[in-house]
Amino acid sequence: EPEVTQTPSHQVTQMGQEVILRCVPISNHLYFYWYRQILGQKVEFLVSFYNNEISEKSEIFDDQFSVERPDGSNFTLKIRSTKLEDSAMYFCASSETRGRGLEQYFGPGTRLTVT
Amino acid sequence: GQQLNQSPQSMFIQEGEDVSMNCTSSSIFNTWLWYKQDPGEGPVLLIALYKAGELTSNGRLTAQFGITRKDSFLNISASIPSDVGIYFCAGQGVYGGSQGNLIFGKGTKLSVKP
Repeated sequence: EPEVTQTPSHQVTQMGQEVILRCVPISNHLYFYWYRQILGQKVEFLVSFYNNEISEKSEIFDDQFSVERPDGSNFTLKIRSTKLEDSAMYFCASSETRGRGLEQYFGPGTRLTVT
Repeated sequence: GQQLNQSPQSMFIQEGEDVSMNCTSSSIFNTWLWYKQDPGEGPVLLIALYKAGELTSNGRLTAQFGITRKDSFLNISASIPSDVGIYFCAGQGVYGGSQGNLIFGKGTKLSVKP
């Protein structure tokens, strides 16, 4: 069964450093998303991406964040200058369509630890 | 913004028991999804609901999209040890800007009674 994959599974970085989290969405999916989950809390939406541009972003997704689809398979989230409060699990998700086909499938996540 | 209230926050089960949990909102949702999350893993989609009143089953799981479009419940029948985990409801709103992103509840943690 096709699945969303993410790398790395765990990333440790120092405050102020740049990190890139990588995702490979399900191959026939057209919509891509990033969510984050701070330890013990609910999953929060960051950004959605379709047709090589951002569709929607939350207030969490500020100028420090960016997303990119550098090739036909990868989808990346970049945090330019990490802060302690960026420590969280970051989940990539993809869906085939929006609206009635809104079934988002999540990857296993990347645990980001900022020290 | 739109918020989901999920209850109970936690519950303890014994194998064989039926389980029920629900989500409510003060505003209307177009779509309700139920996910299960195991520790250190991503949410796994269990059931998707698209129409008010819709009742959908997936094995021992049954979920319903409330008639008012402001609530949904998930039932698990004859629970087994592997049902342990955190269950999240998630909804897609109707208003502009919410055309894809999901709003998650805080989760119901299912544990096994000692």
